[in-house]
Amino acid sequence: GESVGLHLPTLSVQEGDNSIINCAYSNSASDYFIWYKQESGKGPQFIIDIRSNMDKRQGQRVTVLLNKTVKHLSLQIAATQPGDSAVYFCAENFAGGTSYGKLTFGQGTILTVHP
Amino acid sequence: GAGVSQSPSNKVTEKGKDVELRCDPISGHTALYWYRQSLGQGLEFLIYFQGNSAPDKSGLPSDRFSAERTGGSVSTLTIQRTQQEDSAVYLCASSLAGGGNTIYFGEGSWLTVV
Repeated sequence: GESVGLHLPTLSVQEGDNSIINCAYSNSASDYFIWYKQESGKGPQFIIDIRSNMDKRQGQRVTVLLNKTVKHLSLQIAATQPGDSAVYFCAENFAGGTSYGKLTFGQGTILTVHP
Repeated sequence: GAGVSQSPSNKVTEKGKDVELRCDPISGHTALYWYRQSLGQGLEFLIYFQGNSAPDKSGLPSDRFSAERTGGSVSTLTIQRTQQEDSAVYLCASSLAGGGNTIYFGEGSWLTVV
């Protein structure tokens, strides 16, 4: 039957290529941003985070870029592998006066890596 | 344990029955969160605990939903008189206290109401 719900953005790449996943966030006051990877049937897995006082942060094969001017976040994955295939979510946090990690999630992007 | 542990991993219940979902956070994490993820959707915040108190319950969708946390550790999310629209994955997460700390998720409890 036909599934009901959001049609997520998709990105298909060849193994070995670099991938760029984009996210527009909503709250200009947000000060902490996280990327999560979610494989089918599993919970979100932390990939990398960045605070609002930075514009770039690198991890192992991943880089997150933050452009606060246009409220844009991107995740770059180098040398993409089939095991990277998953749904990728960005999340933002505005600690504000309460100072706790309530996250607002984006809709997600489906990454498919072809061998 | 090493990660956030949730149980049951899968639950099928009849409409109108009550269900309890359990979360055991990472040891030492005083902040605990419940989120809900419906099919093909992003994650929706439900409730936040700091220790045993819940300063933010703003995401609970109705008064059929409640949660408690005891001993600053294990939390239980209870859904009373379940409805079909409650079918979703219920995800628990934990972190050290304060904003800007990495939030780790469990594998979720998949709830199906028939």
